[in-house]
Amino acid sequence: GNSVTQMEGPVTLSEEAFLTINCTYTATGYPSLFWYVQYPGEGLQLLLKATKADDKGSNKGFEATYRKETTSFHLEKGSVQVSDSAVYFCALTGVVNSGGSNYKLTFGKGTLLTVNP
Amino acid sequence: DTAVSQTPKYLVTQMGNDKSIKCEQNLGHDTMYWYKQDSKKFLKIMFSYNNKELIINETVPNRFSPKSPDKAHLNLHINSLELGDSAVYFCASSRGQGSHPQHFGDGTRLSIL
Repeated sequence: GNSVTQMEGPVTLSEEAFLTINCTYTATGYPSLFWYVQYPGEGLQLLLKATKADDKGSNKGFEATYRKETTSFHLEKGSVQVSDSAVYFCALTGVVNSGGSNYKLTFGKGTLLTVNP
Repeated sequence: DTAVSQTPKYLVTQMGNDKSIKCEQNLGHDTMYWYKQDSKKFLKIMFSYNNKELIINETVPNRFSPKSPDKAHLNLHINSLELGDSAVYFCASSRGQGSHPQHFGDGTRLSIL
């Protein structure tokens, strides 16, 4: 079945530091890849997505590139802010059953990021 | 305007009780979902409905019964609540499946005493 593996947290950085959160996946076919962010006490929000190999998703200074050869979708940001403190989830959509037409979103375990001033 | 709204936000109840969580989306989406997030933040899909029809039913105890009266609503009823049901339950919706992103509600924190 489909699976997503992302680096375990927590990750603690100082403001303006460089951020990388690693994410690799296993899937049949051609999944779409996502990063979602969850701020304390809130639901998940889409941060960025990529739907095919070599696509780069970007938003709010974050970016991730769909790498089919390494089955990876690492999240990066050049300079983090205190307001980026949240839990980040890597996810993919894939078919529920081989040859089927129903999709489900499979999440990684989430990475807690804390940015200190 | 809240896009995906869930009620209640908090639910504290005794073991053995029956409770419901309601979800409504005003985005005009066709597909709705229920997820369970455990204390370690792990998210797992429970159910998915497309145009009021159940399309995904993961290995969830049959004490959990979703109901979709129309495309904009997906409610979750839980019978005979157990301690292990304590979690945050999220409703979500999307325009379709596949590459369409999902929009999440703020969650319902269920605590079983």
